[in-house]
Amino acid sequence: AQSVAQPEDQVNVAEGNPLTVKCTYSVSGNPYLFWYVQYPNRGLQFLLKYITGDNLVKGSYGFEAEFNKSQTSFHLKKPSALVSDSALYFCAVRDRAAGNKLTFGGGTRVLVKP
Amino acid sequence: GAGVSQSPSNKVTEKGKDVELRCDPISGHTALYWYRQRLGQGLEFLIYFQGNSAPDKSGLPSDRFSAERTGESVSTLTIQRTQQEDSAVYLCASSLGLNNEQFFGPGTRLTVL
Repeated sequence: AQSVAQPEDQVNVAEGNPLTVKCTYSVSGNPYLFWYVQYPNRGLQFLLKYITGDNLVKGSYGFEAEFNKSQTSFHLKKPSALVSDSALYFCAVRDRAAGNKLTFGGGTRVLVKP
Repeated sequence: GAGVSQSPSNKVTEKGKDVELRCDPISGHTALYWYRQRLGQGLEFLIYFQGNSAPDKSGLPSDRFSAERTGESVSTLTIQRTQQEDSAVYLCASSLGLNNEQFFGPGTRLTVL
């Protein structure tokens, strides 16, 4: 079975500082990995995905994530956080060999303080 | 173009009643998904439609839950004999295909009294 873990319920960071949101996954085959963001009172928005190729993936709003197969991780990063980045972030995985279901992590709330 | 739309945006019902939630995917998207998000929790997969293939119903929590999709367009999620634990936000998403990102609708907030 596939699973995703986001070990931090909340991450606090000062504006201008680097932001990291952690994600680890478990699949039996090769993964497709995604990050989504949910702003207050708004729907989920796609940030970036890893399908194949370069391990460093760049996405929307200056975010990037690095696929690390040996550590089964896909941490989300932003070099300089903005107050407007405060939101709920979800990591998701799909096992290429195990059907079409996308499994989401429990989410990490990011609070960027001015 | 238009994004994924869902209706109603809010639904309050009494325990035991049936409810029907609607999703209009992005035109041309062959894949459609339903998720449930309980307060303060992550997304729980319910069901997935891909073209004319049989839907993946593995996430439906009980036989009170069912969903239909007409071709590659509108989908309805039906919950029969609603229970208080069904209270959640029900999210619909669509994508061009399996490897593509999913685009989410705004959700339907269901409250069962």
